[in-house]
Amino acid sequence: GENVEQHPSTLSVQEGDSAVIKCTYSDSASNYFPWYKQELGKRPQLIIDIRSNVGEKKDQRIAVTLNKTAKHFSLHITETQPEDSAVYFCAASIRGGGSQGNLIFGKGTKLSVKP
Amino acid sequence: NAGVTQTPKFQVLKTGQSMTLQCAQDMNHNSMYWYRQDPGMGLRLIYYSASEGTTDKGEVPNGYNVSRLNKREFSLRLESAAPSQTSVYFCASSESGGGQPQHFGDGTRLSIL
Repeated sequence: GENVEQHPSTLSVQEGDSAVIKCTYSDSASNYFPWYKQELGKRPQLIIDIRSNVGEKKDQRIAVTLNKTAKHFSLHITETQPEDSAVYFCAASIRGGGSQGNLIFGKGTKLSVKP
Repeated sequence: NAGVTQTPKFQVLKTGQSMTLQCAQDMNHNSMYWYRQDPGMGLRLIYYSASEGTTDKGEVPNGYNVSRLNKREFSLRLESAAPSQTSVYFCASSESGGGQPQHFGDGTRLSIL
């Protein structure tokens, strides 16, 4: 079946450094790629997303890039802060993302930002 | 706005018991979803409802049933709970039916003994 691989599973950075999380997907029909942040014991929150007709999208300190040819996409966080510490999940739509399409999630990256 | 509200927040069941997890959203969203989250795993879709009156199976539907009671409410039922269903369950909603959950509830932590 379709799957999404996410790396690394854990990431530790110093405050102020950048963090990069990478995902690869298998369904060539995938056209929607969201990222979610989940703090310990809390709900997942959609933080940024990108569609297949766009190569890069930025929102303040976070950005997502997409390489459709290689079927991978990445989350970039610059100037990391302790409050960025959380588990981050990538996801990719399957079967075109229409009403019959859904998301397949990666297994998550636990990001720790050390002050 | 409360967003997506799930009840209960915690529940312990014995094997074979049944229960219904409730979810309601006040954002007038068309689509609603039920996910389960297990340690070391991402979220896995159990069932979804693209619009009022429709429901479809997701990735892991076995052992579950759902009801889209109206536009606001989407419930998940375990008819005969099994230890393998011990998990955290999240309900989510989105404006459209593209399989793209935008807002999640706080989750229900379910333990089955």
